[in-house]
Amino acid sequence: DGGITQSPKYLFRKEGQNVTLSCEQNLNHDAMYWYRQDPGQGLRLIYYSQIVNDFQKGDIAEGYSVSREKKESFPLTVTSAQKNPTAFYLCASSLSSTSTDTQYFGPGTRLTVL
Amino acid sequence: AQSVTQPDIHITVSEGASLELRCNYSYGATPYLFWYVQSPGQGLQLLLKYFSGDTLVQGIKGFEAEFKRSQSSFNLRKPSVHWSDAAEYFCAVGATTDSWGKLQFGAGTQVVVTP
Repeated sequence: DGGITQSPKYLFRKEGQNVTLSCEQNLNHDAMYWYRQDPGQGLRLIYYSQIVNDFQKGDIAEGYSVSREKKESFPLTVTSAQKNPTAFYLCASSLSSTSTDTQYFGPGTRLTVL
Repeated sequence: AQSVTQPDIHITVSEGASLELRCNYSYGATPYLFWYVQSPGQGLQLLLKYFSGDTLVQGIKGFEAEFKRSQSSFNLRKPSVHWSDAAEYFCAVGATTDSWGKLQFGAGTQVVVTP
């Protein structure tokens, strides 16, 4: 089955720790995205990547980092600099980065800071 | 930059009744418009999208949406809801002039279906 997988489903972090969220896709999509979802705020774009070895900051990139070393993988690191990291994180991909290409979403990772 | 507003945070509807979710956008040209649905604790699934042409768009699960340029709206409708339609619904707008397809999402509308 083609799709997007995210792991883990739930993640707990102590304050001051960095954590990495995994996102893998086997859809052969060039573009990948990370969104943060908070109640009542919809989805906000953290980072996006239009092609391998390239990525750009989204609207709320502070305290986050990404890499795109392989086409199918786009891990997100939540660093200790992120002031309020507790949220639901969604990864998405699309065939290309143009507006008409549908974004397909993974099942999400819920991060809780203890 | 584009923006989108979903005026209703929460809607309760009886099973079998009709449903309409409102979406208003702000953009200088005709945007690309999308409706997504999210079941609890899950990712988003595309219901339908509008790029051009016929302003009434049919989607999956019996949903349809109508683009009204004069009202800057893209409301989602379903004639008869099922209990499985209980979910959160997001409207999104994409720019037609940017070099890449950034989507701006609304805050979402939570739909509760009662027996």
